[in-house]
Amino acid sequence: NAGVTQTPKFRILKIGQSMTLQCTQDMNHNYMYWYRQDPGMGLKLIYYSVGAGITDKGEVPNGYNVSRSTTEDFPLRLELAAPSQTSVYFCASRSGEGEQFFGPGTRLTVL
Amino acid sequence: KQEVTQIPAALSVPEGENLVLNCSFTDSAIYNLQWFRQDPGKGLTSLLLIQSSQREQTSGRLNASLDKSSGRSTLYIAASQPGDSATYLCAVNTGTASKLTFGTGTRLQVTL
Repeated sequence: NAGVTQTPKFRILKIGQSMTLQCTQDMNHNYMYWYRQDPGMGLKLIYYSVGAGITDKGEVPNGYNVSRSTTEDFPLRLELAAPSQTSVYFCASRSGEGEQFFGPGTRLTVL
Repeated sequence: KQEVTQIPAALSVPEGENLVLNCSFTDSAIYNLQWFRQDPGKGLTSLLLIQSSQREQTSGRLNASLDKSSGRSTLYIAASQPGDSATYLCAVNTGTASKLTFGTGTRLQVTL
C-alpha cells in the first residue's frame, strides 16, 4: 500500500511551457485534492474531485486544469506556466472517515 | 470565510518539556479538524483527526482537543524529543467535499 504518490519530485519550467503533475492513490478513495504551498502562506486548494468524472474548483484554480478518469489518478495540468506558479504542489485523498492523506509533493520552479 | 490561525509561529523548547500548540478558527460550524506534521522538504503526515462531535483524540504522546464553541483546538505533546522537531499544521473542514482550510503552522524545535 503506497498511499498517495506524486511525480515528478522536482521540475523547472520556462515561462509559457506546459506540464502535467501526476497523482495516484491506491486506497480506493473517492475524494482527491490538489493544494499548493507557498512559503509562509499555508496550503491553498486548487481543485478537487469527489469521484471519477467529477471535478470542481477550489480557492486558486486560475492557470490550472484537472481531469479524473479513474478513481486512482488525478493529474493537474499547468498551461502557459507563469512565475506565480512557482510553488510546492501536494495531492491528497480522503478516507471514508474524513481523514486526508498527502503525497510527498512536487517542487515546481518557473523561470 | 473560514480563517485559521496558529500561535506561536515558532517555538523552541528543551528536550523533555511538555508543550501546547494552539489553533483557532473563525467559523465554528466545522465537520472535523486535522493536525499534521511536516518535516522540511517533505509532505504532510496526518497526526490526529477530531470529528466535530468529539472533544479530544490521543495517539501516543500526542493529545488534541477541540472546543467548537470557542473556535479552538490544542495539540499537546508530552515529553518532547528532538525527533518531534517539525512544522505542525492545523486544518479545518467546514464545507462539503471535505475541503480543508489550513493555518500557517507552528515551527517547533526541540533541543538537546
